[in-house]
Amino acid sequence: DVKVTQSSRYLVKRTGEKVFLECVQDMDHENMFWYRQDPGLGLRLIYFSYDVKMKEKGDIPEGYSVSREKKERFSLILESASTNQTSMYLCASSGMHQGFTGELFFGEGSRLTVL
Amino acid sequence: EDQVTQSPEALRLQEGESSSLNCSYTVSGLRGLFWYRQDPGKGPEFLFTLYSAGEEKEKERLKATLTKKESFLHITAPKPEDSATYLCAVQAAETSGSRLTFGEGTQLTVNP
Repeated sequence: DVKVTQSSRYLVKRTGEKVFLECVQDMDHENMFWYRQDPGLGLRLIYFSYDVKMKEKGDIPEGYSVSREKKERFSLILESASTNQTSMYLCASSGMHQGFTGELFFGEGSRLTVL
Repeated sequence: EDQVTQSPEALRLQEGESSSLNCSYTVSGLRGLFWYRQDPGKGPEFLFTLYSAGEEKEKERLKATLTKKESFLHITAPKPEDSATYLCAVQAAETSGSRLTFGEGTQLTVNP
């Protein structure tokens, strides 16, 4: 079974702190994604990556950056956390052969609270 | 801009009471429409892909249908374990890879 593992389920950080959210997938998938999920707003795409060292902005990239140094790992970075970044963050992956099936494999999420 | 609107926001059913969830979409050329299920505290889990109007997919008590403007997720004789949030997503023809636009979801509660 495909497994997408997010390193932290719950984090509490202070305004201005640098935050790293890590995601690892074990199925050799080319595509990886970071979404945030908020009540009333649904899932919104922050950044995605089609290959190592490649990244593309999603719909809400402001305040975030990403890193993909290895195929299996995709990191989301909040350079200076703010309270409006309090949210559930979801990582997902898919393989090239799944490019048109819509099947994303999600991790269990990282709930970030910024105080 | 691609848009996905789901209704109702929340639905409460008695066990065995069949109903439907709606997903309306606006997209410049639909490549696919997708349904996911999300349990509390978990990431979404893929259910179905629909590619063209008239297509239907079934899985246990769930059946997804697609028209040119909307999709329905029909739930027949639901059980309490069907309680979850159901998410609809679309992929536009001009987008590359697996980039999806999600709706806000319908939170379904099935009471025993």
